[in-house]
Amino acid sequence: GAVVSQHPSRVICKSGTSVKIECRSLDFQATTMFWYRQFPKQSLMLMATSNEGSKATYEQGVEKDKFLINHASLTLSTLTVTSAHPEDSSFYICSARGQGDFPNEQFFGPGTRLTVL
Amino acid sequence: TQLLEQSPQFLSIQEGENLTVYCNSSSVFSSLQWYRQEPGEGPVLLVTVVTGGEVKKLKRLTFQFGDARKDSSLHITAAQPGDTGLYLCAGRAPGTYKYIFGTGTRLKVLA
Repeated sequence: GAVVSQHPSRVICKSGTSVKIECRSLDFQATTMFWYRQFPKQSLMLMATSNEGSKATYEQGVEKDKFLINHASLTLSTLTVTSAHPEDSSFYICSARGQGDFPNEQFFGPGTRLTVL
Repeated sequence: TQLLEQSPQFLSIQEGENLTVYCNSSSVFSSLQWYRQEPGEGPVLLVTVVTGGEVKKLKRLTFQFGDARKDSSLHITAAQPGDTGLYLCAGRAPGTYKYIFGTGTRLKVLA
């Protein structure tokens, strides 16, 4: 149980285009999901907290108009990188907060590698 | 801003050696997790510690949460090449479900 998937696993796009990344909780409902970004050789940096049915909460320094987050259902959150540029190239990882017996744990997706040319 | 500093940043050791990784902060956390991450994959949870002073063992791995819940350590006994990876601690901010990740420790165990 507690499986989180991400789609796509890898995407290459041209500068100026928008890219949507999906994060799904496959066997549980997730009212809260988190989006992280990880640059090569670095740790995970929390970008935003995605709350089902309400606006996402962004961390300091993260542009909410550039990284659009939608959490329209209890099993799906999407991150759209708008007008992507080469500096947005990174490994994007989502996680979903557990429920029931594991409300304080987060379950991670496998990540999405974004390359902007 | 809560920060979690891990040390050492890099560690290269021979198979069979012991090692300890530290995770330190000036902030208090409600709980702390340790993860291992392989290249190109998401982090995999190793353990969650909640109570100050708590010690948990997972085979050759021993995790400890500081009494004040501001720091933690991970000790690996008789390291094996399969232990190679990026080790990350992550603290949960009090009153939230938000986790802040540490700076990471990259471990390489040589056969």
